[in-house]
Amino acid sequence: QVQLVQSGSELKKPGASVKVSCKASGYIFSAYGLNWVRQAPGQGLEWMGWINTNTGNPTYAQGFTGRFVFSLDTSVTTAYLQISSLKAEDTAVYYCARRRVAAFDMWGQGTMVTVSS
Amino acid sequence: QSVLTQPPSVSAAPGQKVTISCSGSTSNIGNNYVSWYQQLPGTAPKLLIYEDNKRPSGIPDRFSGSKSGTSATLGITGLQTGDEANYYCGTWDIRLSAGEFGGGTKLTVL
Repeated sequence: QVQLVQSGSELKKPGASVKVSCKASGYIFSAYGLNWVRQAPGQGLEWMGWINTNTGNPTYAQGFTGRFVFSLDTSVTTAYLQISSLKAEDTAVYYCARRRVAAFDMWGQGTMVTVSS
Repeated sequence: QSVLTQPPSVSAAPGQKVTISCSGSTSNIGNNYVSWYQQLPGTAPKLLIYEDNKRPSGIPDRFSGSKSGTSATLGITGLQTGDEANYYCGTWDIRLSAGEFGGGTKLTVL
């Protein structure tokens, strides 16, 4: 079946980096863009941007440039979100989501990233 | 601060109907499809409505979507306690060239 499976929770110190993975299965990986969405504790959903799984071209939303990098490994149908120079305010659940029919029709289970000294 | 405005909370009794509004502008709702998501506590969001008013396979017809101008509405009939969740509208904003979500609405089934 179609699914997106993300890597597990991470606890990092300020200034460190983290790489979250999102493995896709059950469909043609290159057919649909993969988006990243952040949800801070107790807050709403925030679109971070997306990566074209056909070309590998990333697009970043305002506020997610510089320290955030989207990448792919098409050989294992996996997308990655890397965040560098982590800050306490990066503490959040990060979701990957497939975009199809002008909507996010499939979501990963989420990865909790906690930044704390 | 989201460009899409939703009421923070709505409530209704089991079996009743509730509507959740999502207000935007011509750069988003007025010129793009709207989708709706249900987020149960501690889980990932789930697509309820796409292309303004279509339901994915498996979503009961108690859930409906509509759009008029720069506003969209999610309707839920026959409320159940299991419908208690946060609901988000979403669309694309052509001025910002960005995906956008509403701030979310917490549904309480009294």
